[in-house]
Amino acid sequence: NAGVTQTPKFQVLKTGQSMTLQCAQDMNHEYMSWYRQDPGMGLRLIHYSVGAGITDQGEVPNGYNVSRSTTEDFPLRLLSAAPSQTSVYFCASSPTGTGNTEAFFGQGTRLTVV
Amino acid sequence: GENVEQHPSTLSVQEGDSAVIKCTYSDSASNYFPWYKQELGKGPQLIIDIRSNVGEKKDQRIAVTLNKTAKHFSLHITETQPEDSAVYFCAASMGDSNYQLIWGAGTKLIIKP
Repeated sequence: NAGVTQTPKFQVLKTGQSMTLQCAQDMNHEYMSWYRQDPGMGLRLIHYSVGAGITDQGEVPNGYNVSRSTTEDFPLRLLSAAPSQTSVYFCASSPTGTGNTEAFFGQGTRLTVV
Repeated sequence: GENVEQHPSTLSVQEGDSAVIKCTYSDSASNYFPWYKQELGKGPQLIIDIRSNVGEKKDQRIAVTLNKTAKHFSLHITETQPEDSAVYFCAASMGDSNYQLIWGAGTKLIIKP
């Protein structure tokens, strides 16, 4: 059972570079989301999607783009990386929504922007 | 804005003793309260959750209690074991939204042998 798969696990970017963090789930979940985790701050929601073709902003969306062309995939794009985006990024999926059901998380991507 | 406060930030207990982590939420419309455990290098994993129409829920050594009037909920772990060492997060639904949670800052639980 693969569950939620994130790639890459580690990434170093230079300021101004762009990149895409990949997320795929094989549980046929409608809801997917991206979080960033910073020390002492818990998890903060970046963007989420309630189904293919539908995305919405979370708490900290600036500097990030998402799209949901299929149920399985939910990539996160950093448009122009900044040191403030150094963080650990988690993708999660849920049958209906993390606000009322279990969220299944990927292993995370540790991103460093220099 | 709405928030969830979690205490303590670090908790060290002797193996076999009990551990209690407390959270307070501000949004009176919150109706879903999950607890997640995060082991080093992994994503969070749900260990127990409770809904606003229930006051207490147990699952083996783990229990959660909810006091809606005081707007706080707690995680209780009894007979702690070394594998309980991890970071624990509480969360509350953003109002009655199905789509968003407000997360606590986390508690690092250390089990001393």
